[in-house]
Amino acid sequence: NAGVTQTPKFRILKIGQSMTLQCAQDMNHNYMYWYRQDPGMGLKLIYYSVGAGITDKGEVPNGYNVSRSTTEDFPLRLELAAPSQTSVYFCASSYSPGTGVEKLFFGSGTQLSVL
Amino acid sequence: GESVGLHLPTLSVQEGDNSIINCAYSNSASDYFIWYKQESGKGPQFIIDIRSNMDKRQGQRVTVLLNKTVKHLSLQIAATQPGDSAVYFCAENINTGNQFYFGTGTSLTVIP
Repeated sequence: NAGVTQTPKFRILKIGQSMTLQCAQDMNHNYMYWYRQDPGMGLKLIYYSVGAGITDKGEVPNGYNVSRSTTEDFPLRLELAAPSQTSVYFCASSYSPGTGVEKLFFGSGTQLSVL
Repeated sequence: GESVGLHLPTLSVQEGDNSIINCAYSNSASDYFIWYKQESGKGPQFIIDIRSNMDKRQGQRVTVLLNKTVKHLSLQIAATQPGDSAVYFCAENINTGNQFYFGTGTSLTVIP
């Protein structure tokens, strides 16, 4: 198993540009998450999904969009990039048996700079 | 959102000593806790977890202690090695909900 795979690893955007961060997992996990991590800080939840076709906002959803058309993929879309979105983005997944979440498995991250 | 705080932002220990990393949580309804290790340039890696019906759980060289009375969590690393140098995060889950809340992390440096 590859686990959670994120692409790209690094990206530089100009203000106002758009991009999609890709995330795929091959563990058949039903839950998937997007977090951002600013320097010296913890992880903040952007969006999450409990299954294909279902998404919900986390703590810091503004400026982002997500979709979950398949169990495996959970892309994160930035429509109009702003300097405040400069961060490291982590995708995670977990298996929930229906009685709450289990531990999260993380990808290796995407470092995004908006200039 | 909920906050999970750490008492010490940095910790330095000698190789071979035991390390203790602390975490305070604010929500008494939190019922599931995880410790993660994050090495530079990598994603967080699961270390150990504990549910609120337990006070202690042991893994390989690691022990997590949970004190629900004072809402405190600690991670003990035995015989700390240079490879243990990383940032350690605690995360809490509330009422078996869908979200985890992460603290800001403690940076552990192991001195050879």
